[in-house]
Formats: sequence, C-alpha cells, structure tokens
Amino acid sequence: GESVGLHLPTLSVQEGDNSIINCAYSNSASDYFIWYKQESGKGPQFIIDIRSNMDKRQGQRVTVLLNKTVKHLSLQIAATQPGDSAVYFCAEGVTGGFKTIFGAGTRLFVKA
Amino acid sequence: NAGVMQNPRHLVRRRGQEARLRCSPMKGHSHVYWYRQLPEEGLKFMVYLQKENIIDESGMPKERFSAEFPKEGPSILRIQQVVRGDSAAYFCASSPTRDSTYEQYFGPGTRLTVT
Repeated sequence: GESVGLHLPTLSVQEGDNSIINCAYSNSASDYFIWYKQESGKGPQFIIDIRSNMDKRQGQRVTVLLNKTVKHLSLQIAATQPGDSAVYFCAEGVTGGFKTIFGAGTRLFVKA
Repeated sequence: NAGVMQNPRHLVRRRGQEARLRCSPMKGHSHVYWYRQLPEEGLKFMVYLQKENIIDESGMPKERFSAEFPKEGPSILRIQQVVRGDSAAYFCASSPTRDSTYEQYFGPGTRLTVT
C-alpha cells in the first residue's frame, strides 16, 4: 500500500552544517528510490536516486543511503545552504511498475 | 527543451463550476501522471495516462473527475461541479517510459481554489 513515511516532519539546521532527512518504506518489492526537493510554489525536482542493488550513492553535496534490512532511506546534504530550504520527499517504485509512491515530506529550514 | 508545462498556474472556481487543468509533457515524453497535493502533505497519485489511453486511474475519485491525453494536444484533468474539498495543488509529471524506476519530470502545478 501507500506507506512511504518520514520520521521527522520538520528539520532546522544551521547554515554550513550537514542535514540528514530520513524516510521509512514498507513495500519490500520496491527496488527504486528517489529523493525530490520541492520549493515553495514549485513542482518537485529530482535530486538523486538509488536502486536496491546499492547501499549508497553520492551526488553533488548529497548522499542517499539505503538500508533494505530495516527499509530505511536517508538523504544527507553536506554543508547545507539557505537555498536548500525546501520540502524533501522520498518516493519509491518497482521495476516494471509505473506507480511512484511519495512520502509525506520533511520541511528543511536552514538558519543563516 | 522546454520542461513540463501546466496551465493555468492559478485557478479560482466557485462551487459547482468546472475546472480544467492542462498539462503539456516534455518533448518526446508520452507518459503523463497527475498528482494532487494538499497543503503540508505529500503528493497523491491520481491517474497515469499514455497517448489516448488511461492506464491507471486508481487514485482518482470515481465521480466528477476525469482525465484524458489525446493524440494531439495537452493532457487535461477535468473536475466537474467542484467542491471546496477539491482545493489543492495539482501536479503533472511526464516520463519517456512507463517504468516507475525512472525519473519523472514535474510541472509547476496548478493551484485550484474553490470558493
């Protein structure tokens, strides 16, 4: 069912610190996970993805970690900047399927 | 290469009127998804369409809501006899493939307000 959820609805960090946003999922069949960033008044924007055959994937200032044992996904943002302030959603999909399930989102506040 | 286009960006309707939301996918994309987002909530899947076909409308209310993606022109989400509970942001996303293990590209959304 639709059960991608997040542990923290809001997160406030100091500029320059690292941010960690967490996500739990319950569909064991999901093998593809995505993080989206949504700024106020805009549509979601792709940040990074990871497939279930990986535990970690790095992008520019972002890292996604996948723990399939406990069905947990996290997004790490290094040296958080004011421009990172947004709502972050995790989402999951299944190879061969077409429905992407979104979590509830975490709002990230970056304090200058 | 223009991204996903949605119009109007803002739409105000009185209760009982009809709302038509349009979505033009990215060039080369033939798969369109519609999502609904209430304030401070995540995106809820509504419907998935390919050109001229509705593939999955399991997330769409059975009454008053309909969607189409004609051979020519944009995809349209239509809400008849709107009620206040329909007030939300409606997002369209497109993809070049039906596989959910592929990034979807989102439009800016249409914010519907029912008065």
